[in-house]
Amino acid sequence: AAGVIQSPRHLIKEKRETATLKCYPIPRHDTVYWYQQGPGQDPQFLISFYEKMQSDKGSIPDRFSAQQFSDYHSELNMSSLELGDSALYFCASRPLAGANNEQFFGPGTRLTVL
Amino acid sequence: AQSVAQPEDQVNVAEGNPLTVKCTYSVSGNPYLFWYVQYPNRGLQFLLKYITGDNLVKGSYGFEAEFNKSQTSFHLKKPSALVSDSALYFCAVRDRGGGADGLTFGKGTHLIIQP
Repeated sequence: AAGVIQSPRHLIKEKRETATLKCYPIPRHDTVYWYQQGPGQDPQFLISFYEKMQSDKGSIPDRFSAQQFSDYHSELNMSSLELGDSALYFCASRPLAGANNEQFFGPGTRLTVL
Repeated sequence: AQSVAQPEDQVNVAEGNPLTVKCTYSVSGNPYLFWYVQYPNRGLQFLLKYITGDNLVKGSYGFEAEFNKSQTSFHLKKPSALVSDSALYFCAVRDRGGGADGLTFGKGTHLIIQP
């Protein structure tokens, strides 16, 4: 079965640089979520999109922005990177309608800021 | 605001014994509850969910969980543990009226199954 695809899987950046993370949801999933998991931490919800519109906003810093495109893939843009942004970033998807309330997670992008 | 508590950082169980990983939640409305498992350097894998109906839900790999509304708990259980069950387990909650709201996770519980 198709899964959520995230790219890149690993990314190394310097402080104050920018980064773009991409997420390709499972086919026919119209809702995308982004989470940040710091070392030894639980995943923290950042932002979600439904049908290309922002749906819910969590603890996403102002330096970060995201969008969902017409093909439902999503990108998380991160600017002025800080050391504390080093984390595993997960994308998850699900179909908003229906009984499938669980979110399906991708393998994550590990961002290291030096 | 919603929250999840997993009171144990680590649970140690001998292989073949029953296991329980505890979870309590707080949500303003009625909850959707989930358990996910994470293996090292991997994504989160869905195990099971409580949406409505029977309080005992069964999921993947022989796991089950019991929803207890009065105790606001959703403990994960398995009758006979396997060494391969060793992983990090997260309980998560979402308010039922939240649409596309994100999940709130607990801090996670390391489950260690000893041979």
